[in-house]
Amino acid sequence: GESVGLHLPTLSVQEGDNSIINCAYSNSASDYFIWYKQESGKGPQFIIDIRSNMDKRQGQRVTVLLNKTVKHLSLQIAATQPGDSAVYFCAEDRRSASKIIFGSGTRLSIRP
Amino acid sequence: NAGVMQNPRHLVRRRGQEARLRCSPMKGHSHVYWYRQLPEEGLKFMVYLQKENIIDESGMPKERFSAEFPKEGPSILRIQQVVRGDSAAYFCASSPPTAGGPQHFGDGTRLSIL
Repeated sequence: GESVGLHLPTLSVQEGDNSIINCAYSNSASDYFIWYKQESGKGPQFIIDIRSNMDKRQGQRVTVLLNKTVKHLSLQIAATQPGDSAVYFCAEDRRSASKIIFGSGTRLSIRP
Repeated sequence: NAGVMQNPRHLVRRRGQEARLRCSPMKGHSHVYWYRQLPEEGLKFMVYLQKENIIDESGMPKERFSAEFPKEGPSILRIQQVVRGDSAAYFCASSPPTAGGPQHFGDGTRLSIL
């Protein structure tokens, strides 16, 4: 079936190191992807998005890479900080259906 | 997430009661979406509404659940005759009327069924 899923459920990173969170999708027709950050007790917070006509997009300390050949998406966080601790979701925004399909999430924890 | 307002933040109901969850979209947004999240899981789409119209309710259970977005006032997600399995966090998101751009989420309503 169609899905947007994540490779690893948890990721532990040393403070100051870079974090890489991976995501796989199965629908080759998907054309818009979003990364959300969800802190405990809060709603998903938009981090960065990318459309299928791009391979890479950069924001402040974050970079999203899209590999359409293998249907893989990744989120890179530079110089990880304690405030980056959260669950990160990749999501596919299916504009034709006007709904977001979320993956199951990766929990990022930061070691001091 | 301050732009999308949901209330109450926490709601406790006994089995068989009704639950009403409210969502006020961001200013200028006319599209509202409801999602449900179980612990340690991603959000699952429930329904997409525009003012006075249900556009897509493919994720809504066929019974006991309903949603509305009236011309005036917040969007309401109503769950009648609640059961234990309805316990979850319910999130609302909104987006502007023009196409493109991500949905913005509220901080959710945590529904607990006793």
